[in-house]
Amino acid sequence: GENVEQHPSTLSVQEGDSAVIKCTYSDSASNYFPWYKQELGKRPQLIIDIRSNVGEKKDQRIAVTLNKTAKHFSLHITETQPEDSAVYFCAAWTGSYQLTFGKGTKLSVIP
Amino acid sequence: DGGITQSPKYLFRKEGQNVTLSCEQNLNHDAMYWYRQDPGQGLRLIYYSQIVNDFQKGDIAEGYSVSREKKESFPLTVTSAQKNPTAFYLCASSPGLAGVDTQYFGPGTRLTVL
Repeated sequence: GENVEQHPSTLSVQEGDSAVIKCTYSDSASNYFPWYKQELGKRPQLIIDIRSNVGEKKDQRIAVTLNKTAKHFSLHITETQPEDSAVYFCAAWTGSYQLTFGKGTKLSVIP
Repeated sequence: DGGITQSPKYLFRKEGQNVTLSCEQNLNHDAMYWYRQDPGQGLRLIYYSQIVNDFQKGDIAEGYSVSREKKESFPLTVTSAQKNPTAFYLCASSPGLAGVDTQYFGPGTRLTVL
């Protein structure tokens, strides 16, 4: 089955700096890659997603890039703010109606 | 995701008891899912259902059961056979049967075994 590795597990950045979280996947048939943000005790919220026919997608300060050949995708957050502090999860669609999630990255933005 | 509700928010279970977690959605979504979240483990799929009266096991189905009698509802029962049920349980739904669909999550139920 699909395996998704996410790095780093924790990330601290100064306010205003950029943050990058990387994920690799194993199943070359995976074709949908969402990113979720989860604040403490809350539900995961979709922040951006990308499909395999696109290499990059941006939404204001957030961008996701996808390299299908290398089977990895990354989340980029620019001009980080304290409210960006949360746990971020990547996921890959396996094709059998299942999402496989990475183990999460705890992002701390230091004011 | 505001159209997905879970109850209760907190649940306490004694050893040997079965408990049922509720998940309801009013988004007219066909597919529904149950995940378990443990610290440092990410989200792991327990069961999913693509359509009424049909459901499939996920990666960690042992000790759990589900039903899908109505499109809007997908309750999860944690049985006494689940040896370590303390966790945060998340229900999700996605629009259709096409396969690749965004999943939207409910607010979760935190289950604690006493």
